[in-house]
Amino acid sequence: EPEVTQTPSHQVTQMGQEVILRCVPISNHLYFYWYRQILGQKVEFLVSFYNNEISEKSEIFDDQFSVERPDGSNFTLKIRSTKLEDSAMYFCASKSERVSYEQYFGPGTRLTVT
Amino acid sequence: AQSVTQLGSHVSVSEGALVLLRCNYSSSVPPYLFWYVQYPNQGLQLLLKYTTGATLVKGINGFEAEFKKSETSFHLTKPSAHMSDAAEYFCAVSFRTGTASKLTFGTGTRLQVTL
Repeated sequence: EPEVTQTPSHQVTQMGQEVILRCVPISNHLYFYWYRQILGQKVEFLVSFYNNEISEKSEIFDDQFSVERPDGSNFTLKIRSTKLEDSAMYFCASKSERVSYEQYFGPGTRLTVT
Repeated sequence: AQSVTQLGSHVSVSEGALVLLRCNYSSSVPPYLFWYVQYPNQGLQLLLKYTTGATLVKGINGFEAEFKKSETSFHLTKPSAHMSDAAEYFCAVSFRTGTASKLTFGTGTRLQVTL
């Protein structure tokens, strides 16, 4: 069964450093998302991406964040200058156009900022 | 504002007992509703969803949920809990269709199953 994959599973970085979280969505999907979950809290929407542009973003997704689909398979989230409060689990999700309701989630990347 | 509320951050049931996890939403238009399960150190797995049609929906692992518009609820149930059901359960809603609609999650309910 096709699945969303994410790398790395765990990333440790120092405050102020740039990080790139990588996702490979399901191959025929057209909508891509990033969510985050701070430890012990609910899952929060960050950004959605369709047709090579951002469709919607939350207030969390400020200028420190960017997304990119550099090729036909990868979808990346970049945090330019990490802060302690960026420590969280980051989930990538994708959705096909045909079945427009169900988002498929990856296993997540745990980002720890020290 | 549109929102999702899950009553009870922790629910504990005995193995074999009924599981009831509550979810209410606030929306000016009927949303699409989802339940996701998260096992320790894993991602989110879709249990079931309501989009249109029959208001009682069945999902994986014996779970089901009923959309009640008059009560703005989408409670998750399972007749008989198993130890393997111990996990975090998230109710989520989507308020737009046909586009890159985001999911809005509730705060989650941790289900504990005891012998």
